[in-house]
Amino acid sequence: ELKVEQNPLFLSMQEGKNYTIYCNYSTTSDRLYWYRQDPGKSLESLFVLLSNGAVKQEGRLMASLDTKARLNTLHITAAVHDLSATYFCAVERAWGGSEKLVFGKGTKLTVNP
Amino acid sequence: DVKVTQSSRYLVKRTGEKVFLECVQDMDHENMFWYRQDPGLGLRLIYFSYDVKMKEKGDIPEGYSVSREKKERFSLILESASTNQTSMYLCASSLWPSAMAPLHFGNGTRLTVT
Repeated sequence: ELKVEQNPLFLSMQEGKNYTIYCNYSTTSDRLYWYRQDPGKSLESLFVLLSNGAVKQEGRLMASLDTKARLNTLHITAAVHDLSATYFCAVERAWGGSEKLVFGKGTKLTVNP
Repeated sequence: DVKVTQSSRYLVKRTGEKVFLECVQDMDHENMFWYRQDPGLGLRLIYFSYDVKMKEKGDIPEGYSVSREKKERFSLILESASTNQTSMYLCASSLWPSAMAPLHFGNGTRLTVT
């Protein structure tokens, strides 16, 4: 059974600081995703990572994938208040020819001025 | 832009009622999914469908059923609502195969069962 562990679950940081959110998963997968959820809103796709060593960056967020270590990370550089949200990693699991995502529990990020 | 529309934003039902949650997507996606989101538990997959009239159980299908009569519409049915089904329900769709095709989520239905 695929398990996805995300940490930390809560993160409070000051503007301008850097931090990393970690996502470990228990079985082999080559497709990982990051989503963002603002309070009261639905999930929005941020990144799709498809191979070992894949790195994607958008603005102050950078996602990277190490399939050998089964580790997916989301690095935040020089955080700003607008990044406050809950971030979910998700791992794709093959099941009878269809692909489905298993989500981590989410990291609630609060960026303080 | 892909649009996934859930028919109700908030819903309050009584224990034992039959509840229908509707979801429509406008991008001709093959895959459609129903998740529930609970604090501390993240998102859990209830059911998914990869084609019309096709459905597969997810991780927590008990107490739920689904219907997909048309490609664009995927309904979640609570046969006899119970208080432990109080939750946020999220519908999503994606292309098949799903490589490089993330899920597109609706805005969610917050269901309260009293």
